[in-house]
Amino acid sequence: GAVVSQHPSWVICKSGTSVKIECRSLDFQATTMFWYRQFPKQSLMLMATSNEGSKATYEQGVEKDKFLINHASLTLSTLTVTSAHPEDSSFYICSAPRSQTYEQYFGPGTRLTVT
Amino acid sequence: AQRVTQPEKLLSVFKGAPVELKCNYSYSGSPELFWYVQYSRQRLQLLLRHISRESIKGFTADLNKGETSFHLKKPFAQEEDSAMYYCALSGTGGFKTIFGAGTRLFVKA
Repeated sequence: GAVVSQHPSWVICKSGTSVKIECRSLDFQATTMFWYRQFPKQSLMLMATSNEGSKATYEQGVEKDKFLINHASLTLSTLTVTSAHPEDSSFYICSAPRSQTYEQYFGPGTRLTVT
Repeated sequence: AQRVTQPEKLLSVFKGAPVELKCNYSYSGSPELFWYVQYSRQRLQLLLRHISRESIKGFTADLNKGETSFHLKKPFAQEEDSAMYYCALSGTGGFKTIFGAGTRLFVKA
């Protein structure tokens, strides 16, 4: 099956610093990838749609200047949390659909802790 | 507005009992409905999709457009079915997927 990886799997950073999270589709190309945020014991909240070669589309209420998304190639999307604050601490998950199906393949997630 | 509702946060059943996880959706077009499952310490993965009309791990789900429901059912629950289940909807524009709040299924021995 299709594989999506994320790096790092966990990161701790100090308040005010920026953190970059990578999402890769390992065995298929993805013109679109999605970034989600998941709070403990809660559902996935879609943050943005990452589009290869164009600007990301952000969901309502998500600060685009805070969460920078770059989809530089057909297999890589990055999410940069800028000027991180403790309230940004969360589990960030990416997904990518394969070919023309609506099925999503998920990465394992990245746990961000801002101290 | 597109919405997926899973009314139960937690569902606890005994092994061998039938289980039904409820899902209702709100969508004006023709949606694609999915059930995703997340086992402990594992990533989210697809369980089944409505267009496949298949049974996966004994689970089935029927899309009822009249009731706008896509309930997940299994006649005899197993302990290994204990997991978090998310109902999801696509077809809202591109490949964007909207998830319900999730239902944690706990199957007791």
